[in-house]
Amino acid sequence: TQLLEQSPQFLSIQEGENLTVYCNSSSVFSSLQWYRQEPGEGPVLLVTVVTGGEVKKLKRLTFQFGDARKDSSLHITAAQPGDTGLYLCAGLPPNTGNQFYFGTGTSLTVIP
Amino acid sequence: DSGVTQTPKHLITATGQRVTLRCSPRSGDLSVYWYQQSLDQGLQFLIQYYNGEERAKGNILERFSAQQFPDLHSELNLSSLELGDSALYFCASSVALAGRYNEQFFGPGTRLTVL
Repeated sequence: TQLLEQSPQFLSIQEGENLTVYCNSSSVFSSLQWYRQEPGEGPVLLVTVVTGGEVKKLKRLTFQFGDARKDSSLHITAAQPGDTGLYLCAGLPPNTGNQFYFGTGTSLTVIP
Repeated sequence: DSGVTQTPKHLITATGQRVTLRCSPRSGDLSVYWYQQSLDQGLQFLIQYYNGEERAKGNILERFSAQQFPDLHSELNLSSLELGDSALYFCASSVALAGRYNEQFFGPGTRLTVL
């Protein structure tokens, strides 16, 4: 069962452009994480959000958790080639223990 | 470098065979997770061990098994391999058993190709 749907699946933009990727679900999560995975490597955690409506900023990256804790977005300002990678969201359903469910992923390519 | 090591990096084998993937967690981490990543299924959770005990099970096939040893390293055994088992297999580790802020550190993965 795929709990988290990410969109778009693929995104190719020019350096300097802004972009937003989305992570949507019909389920509520007690926690939501964003990871970035570069080719040939494992995912690396970028941020964790736990409160509905929470906004976190990491340099040019802005993460938002939906008010109902069912969805999240990642906004990148002035994208750089180093932002290229696969962006994955992962949600922790409440009262289910330890298992984070990963989204389908958004593959981002930033062209110099 | 996440501090999680996985061996081998690449593995090519034939259908019907059995392979073992190895993972060493970060120093001090007690939890080990195994994931399978394929193009059509994304990153799928397989199983979690904490301090030697199985603590959570995901979409792991009966042909697959895992264990965590006293020194905390873990092995994932895949048997009766099928073409569809070709994928990237990641190991991750964390300090805690669970929690909303639980951060998993992923290894570089093992790419398994079944011919």
